[in-house]
Amino acid sequence: TQLLEQSPQFLSIQEGENLTVYCNSSSVFSSLQWYRQEPGEGPVLLVTVVTGGEVKKLKRLTFQFGDARKDSSLHITAAQPGDTGLYLCAGRVDKLVFGAGTILRVKS
Amino acid sequence: NAGVTQTPKFQVLKTGQSMTLQCAQDMNHEYMSWYRQDPGMGLRLIHYSVGAGITDQGEVPNGYNVSRSTTEDFPLRLLSAAPSQTSVYFCASSYSLGIVDEQFFGPGTRLTVL
Repeated sequence: TQLLEQSPQFLSIQEGENLTVYCNSSSVFSSLQWYRQEPGEGPVLLVTVVTGGEVKKLKRLTFQFGDARKDSSLHITAAQPGDTGLYLCAGRVDKLVFGAGTILRVKS
Repeated sequence: NAGVTQTPKFQVLKTGQSMTLQCAQDMNHEYMSWYRQDPGMGLRLIHYSVGAGITDQGEVPNGYNVSRSTTEDFPLRLLSAAPSQTSVYFCASSYSLGIVDEQFFGPGTRLTVL
């Protein structure tokens, strides 16, 4: 059983569309991180959120931490082919726990 | 800075063989960890170390051994490989276990056990 559930598991969209990826848990996290992984490489940190209700923006990416610090979302505006990859959320309790990831494919 | 390096990139083993996956970092990070990544399972923690001479088990430690003799190196040993250990293995390091600390990952080792 995954401590962190990510949805959807796979998303294929056209360039220019918007999308949202969700990360949910029944546990409370002291922080939550989003990583992006490209084929053949290790994950790379995108953002860390710490405070309940916190919203962070990274260019076209908007990250939100739920008020109760149990869930998070990643919204991408006007997706581009360069956004293609595996998006992983990771919540910290005592250690960092990863979700299974969302595979995003953006077609041009 | 090279960051986190892992060798080999690819490896094929027969059941029962042993091998060591190498991991090194040049960022003077105290915390290092090993993960395995399987389809639909995300990254699962195998073993971790909070400093030279200190190691501990993660979520899936069975079949794997680690040691940490220096700050830089954290090898992962498979003593008797099994097909269930076919996976992609990632080594990671971070400055500490702080709640905002970034994990820096290596490029991974893709292991197939026949």
